[in-house]
Amino acid sequence: AQSVAQPEDQVNVAEGNPLTVKCTYSVSGNPYLFWYVQYPNRGLQFLLKYITGDNLVKGSYGFEAEFNKSQTSFHLKKPSALVSDSALYFCAVRRNYGGATNKLIFGTGTLLAVQP
Amino acid sequence: DVKVTQSSRYLVKRTGEKVFLECVQDMDHENMFWYRQDPGLGLRLIYFSYDVKMKEKGDIPEGYSVSREKKERFSLILESASTNQTSMYLCATSYSAGGPNEQFFGPGTRLTVL
Repeated sequence: AQSVAQPEDQVNVAEGNPLTVKCTYSVSGNPYLFWYVQYPNRGLQFLLKYITGDNLVKGSYGFEAEFNKSQTSFHLKKPSALVSDSALYFCAVRRNYGGATNKLIFGTGTLLAVQP
Repeated sequence: DVKVTQSSRYLVKRTGEKVFLECVQDMDHENMFWYRQDPGLGLRLIYFSYDVKMKEKGDIPEGYSVSREKKERFSLILESASTNQTSMYLCATSYSAGGPNEQFFGPGTRLTVL
């Protein structure tokens, strides 16, 4: 079965320090991976996606993610955290069946708290 | 910019009421989705539509139905609301061509069923 796991419910980091939000996946076939961010009382916003090619994907707001096929991981990173990065982050993988429907499986989310 | 709007940000209903949640998009996307978001469970797909009048059940369709009479509008219907349907409901859209394509989300409707 296809799935996505976010092993940490919450990540705490000091402003200015690097941050990592972890994601691992299990899919049949090629993995198509996404990161979204949700600010309080808002919908989800797309950050970045991995389809193929370079294992380091750059996205919005200075975020990047590293695809690692051998570890089946797609961790979200940022070199220097900002207080305004505090939000709920979701990893997702596209379901690989039934045509190009772009249906996604989402992880349970990781709350990022950046302390001043 | 893609704009996805949802009819209400907050909604309070009584058990047994019929509830309509509306989603409208302005980007001519073929695909539209309804999710519910609950703490610790992430987003779960309720229903999906890939064209006008076309729909597919998602992972948790029980107690819900949908309607898509026009391309830009996708409605979620709770036939008889129950307290376990208290949740945040999110609508999303995406292109179907090419891809894999990201989904664009509305602001959400927080539904409370009393």
